[in-house]
Amino acid sequence: DTAVSQTPKYLVTQMGNDKSIKCEQNLGHDTMYWYKQDSKKFLKIMFSYNNKELIINETVPNRFSPKSPDKAHLNLHINSLELGDSAVYFCASSQGGTETQYFGPGTRLLVL
Amino acid sequence: GEDVEQSLFLSVREGDSSVINCTYTDSSSTYLYWYKQEPGAGLQLLTYIFSNMDMKQDQRLTVLLNKKDKHLSLRIADTQTGDSAIYFCAAQGGGNKLTFGTGTQLKVEL
Repeated sequence: DTAVSQTPKYLVTQMGNDKSIKCEQNLGHDTMYWYKQDSKKFLKIMFSYNNKELIINETVPNRFSPKSPDKAHLNLHINSLELGDSAVYFCASSQGGTETQYFGPGTRLLVL
Repeated sequence: GEDVEQSLFLSVREGDSSVINCTYTDSSSTYLYWYKQEPGAGLQLLTYIFSNMDMKQDQRLTVLLNKKDKHLSLRIADTQTGDSAIYFCAAQGGGNKLTFGTGTQLKVEL
């Protein structure tokens, strides 16, 4: 059973397009996160949601919009994709904001 | 904000012990984590330590925490080729925020 899953695993698209990445967790956690890992493997948090409410919103361009339809899902929509958006995006979840975070397998986004 | 630093590379021979070091800046960090990332894969939680502990052992893994110096280390005993990966240290600070280090690439040679 996959605890935190993401779709798609790979995403190749043209600059200017709009795309979404989906994340689902079946751990019963109430907090979900999006992280970005750049080409140098540096990981940085983008967003955190607790029970569908935005808790953390780092300095991310407003082209990125997270959407949480329920506490088991946190999707990431990206408008007007740019070359610099190419990265691996990881979803994670935890029970509460202070508990251990479990990560999904990542979505590798390449913008051409 | 929190700053977490690690050395970028470590090379060891199979069977030796590996020690990966990490420093952090926020003394109020509550939990400190070690994650492993194999090539092309996601992040796997290895172990974690609460800030009021100074050592935690889990099979081949030993975590040492020096809270005064804000220094964390991960020791892997009897390192195997399957341990080759990037190891990330992460500190849990205020506001539910997990700050990651730059990652240490561990290479295990025969």
